[in-house]
Amino acid sequence: NAGVTQTPKFRVLKTGQSMTLLCAQDMNHEYMYWYRQDPGMGLRLIHYSVGEGTTAKGEVPDGYNVSRLKKQNFLLGLESAAPSQTSVYFCASSYSLALAGEDTQYFGPGTRLTVL
Amino acid sequence: EDQVTQSPEALRLQEGESSSLNCSYTVSGLRGLFWYRQDPGKGPEFLFTLYSAGEEKEKERLKATLTKKESFLHITAPKPEDSATYLCAVQAVRGSYIPTFGRGTSLIVHP
Repeated sequence: NAGVTQTPKFRVLKTGQSMTLLCAQDMNHEYMYWYRQDPGMGLRLIHYSVGEGTTAKGEVPDGYNVSRLKKQNFLLGLESAAPSQTSVYFCASSYSLALAGEDTQYFGPGTRLTVL
Repeated sequence: EDQVTQSPEALRLQEGESSSLNCSYTVSGLRGLFWYRQDPGKGPEFLFTLYSAGEEKEKERLKATLTKKESFLHITAPKPEDSATYLCAVQAVRGSYIPTFGRGTSLIVHP
């Protein structure tokens, strides 16, 4: 099992450009999440999905859109990138929201995005 | 609003020098508290889940404990390979169940 994979690993954008980050998981997890991690800020939730075709806003959703067309994939889009979106983006997945027992959030390796 | 505060922000230890990391939290009913390890350039990796005050869990040189207000991650006789950032997250009984993360403690263990 590859677990959670993210594409690309690094990207540099100019202000106003758009891009899509791809997250894929092979664990048949129902729930998927997008976080951003900034120095001194910890992990902050951008959007999450409770199943194929459903998404919801997290703590910092402005400037981002998401889609979950297939259960195994969760896409994060930036329509018009801004320097404030320079960050490391992590995708995660889990079997349930309850995260009980052996269930936990599994994280991908991250995408480092720089917006100039 | 759920809050998680981790201290210290950074910790430097000599190999073999035991210490503890702190995670204090404010939550409207704790469902679970999670500890993760994050190596540079990688995603967080799950370590422990604690559910109730008094609970303890161990893994190699790490032991996590939980009270009603805080959790400690005790590191016994650390080795350089224990160097990482340790993240704490809390999950509330009410709401979306999605964990709120602290800012982490960066641990460096010198040989």
